[in-house]
Amino acid sequence: EAQVTQNPRYLITVTGKKLTVTCSQNMNHEYMSWYRQDPGLGLRQIYYSMNVEVTDKGDVPEGYKVSRKEKRNFPLILESPSPNQTSLYFCASSPGKAPGGELFFGEGSRLTVL
Amino acid sequence: AQSVSQHNHHVILSEAASLELGCNYSYGGTVNLFWYVQYPGQHLQLLLKYFSGDPLVKGIKGFEAEFIKSKFSFNLRKPSVQWSDTAEYFCAVNNNQGGKLIFGQGTELSVKP
Repeated sequence: EAQVTQNPRYLITVTGKKLTVTCSQNMNHEYMSWYRQDPGLGLRQIYYSMNVEVTDKGDVPEGYKVSRKEKRNFPLILESPSPNQTSLYFCASSPGKAPGGELFFGEGSRLTVL
Repeated sequence: AQSVSQHNHHVILSEAASLELGCNYSYGGTVNLFWYVQYPGQHLQLLLKYFSGDPLVKGIKGFEAEFIKSKFSFNLRKPSVQWSDTAEYFCAVNNNQGGKLIFGQGTELSVKP
């Protein structure tokens, strides 16, 4: 089944404790992206990747890191989480190098930073 | 900078009413336009998209949208809504050159049976 898989789905952590949210897609998509969703703000793009070893900042990259060592994986790293990073995070992928086609979303990861 | 504005934050309709959700974007070049829907507790799904050609595009579940270039708008319409259309709707814009896909703030639609 074609899908984008995120883990963990739910996480409560404390300020400063490094965490990684994994994202994996099985559709051989070149484009992958991370978004955070906050009430009243819609989805805001954190980082995106148009190919292996190619990543770029979205609109809200501060406090996040990503890597794209393999085509299928695009982990989101919070080196020192803070409470303002409490949010619902979505990973998405799309065929092609840009999001010109349909974005396929993961189920979301709800993160709470205390 | 690119931005997307959805004017209605929350729309409440009765079943069978007609729907129009506004979306305006700010970007002067060629754009790709999308509407996504998020049902309660689920992730986003594509409703429809516009790349070029006929500015009136039809999507799934009876939705359609019209691209008006002169107004920088891409409004979503449905002639007759159903209770199952209750969801949040997001407009999104890609500038056709890079990897940024900008979403609007979202419009929550509540349909009363």
